[in-house]
Amino acid sequence: KQEVTQIPAALSVPEGENLVLNCSFTDSAIYNLQWFRQDPGKGLTSLLLIQSSQREQTSGRLNASLDKSSGRSTLYIAASQPGDSATYLCAAETSGSRLTFGEGTQLTVNP
Amino acid sequence: NAGVMQNPRHLVRRRGQEARLRCSPMKGHSHVYWYRQLPEEGLKFMVYLQKENIIDESGMPKERFSAEFPKEGPSILRIQQVVRGDSAAYFCASPSSGSRSGELFFGEGSRLTVL
Repeated sequence: KQEVTQIPAALSVPEGENLVLNCSFTDSAIYNLQWFRQDPGKGLTSLLLIQSSQREQTSGRLNASLDKSSGRSTLYIAASQPGDSATYLCAAETSGSRLTFGEGTQLTVNP
Repeated sequence: NAGVMQNPRHLVRRRGQEARLRCSPMKGHSHVYWYRQLPEEGLKFMVYLQKENIIDESGMPKERFSAEFPKEGPSILRIQQVVRGDSAAYFCASPSSGSRSGELFFGEGSRLTVL
């Protein structure tokens, strides 16, 4: 059974700082790993999808890496802004097309 | 959310009533996933449907919960005889490609409150 863990559970940083969010998964037989952002009371916004054959994906100030052998993914956010404040979720897709989610990292970027 | 529509956004029910949550995937797409987010918990898979078929319902509670995705109209998640523990946000998702895998796009969710 796949289990996904995210560390830290909460993070508070000053504006402009670069930061790394961590995600680990127990079953390396994944099809892909997806990072989402969730604002309070809102749905999930897809940020990046990394296929199992890929090592990283980039979108703007975001960079996500994937190391299947060690069961880890990281989300790097460069030059953080107050608007980046949200909960960040990682999810691993395993057999059956279902996603297993971590419990998220709640990020606060202080102006 | 790339066009995944859910309604109602908020629903209040008393214990014992029925709740019906609706989801329309992106236009022309025929795959729908339902996830539940309990307070202070992560999202959990419930069910995966294609038009007129339930593909995987291994995440559905054994009683009171059912889901369908008819040939015409939205997918429906139905909860009978609701209890306080059913209070949660229920999210629907649709793959970007329209097929079974790939990037998933989520709706805004339906937030059920059971009094």
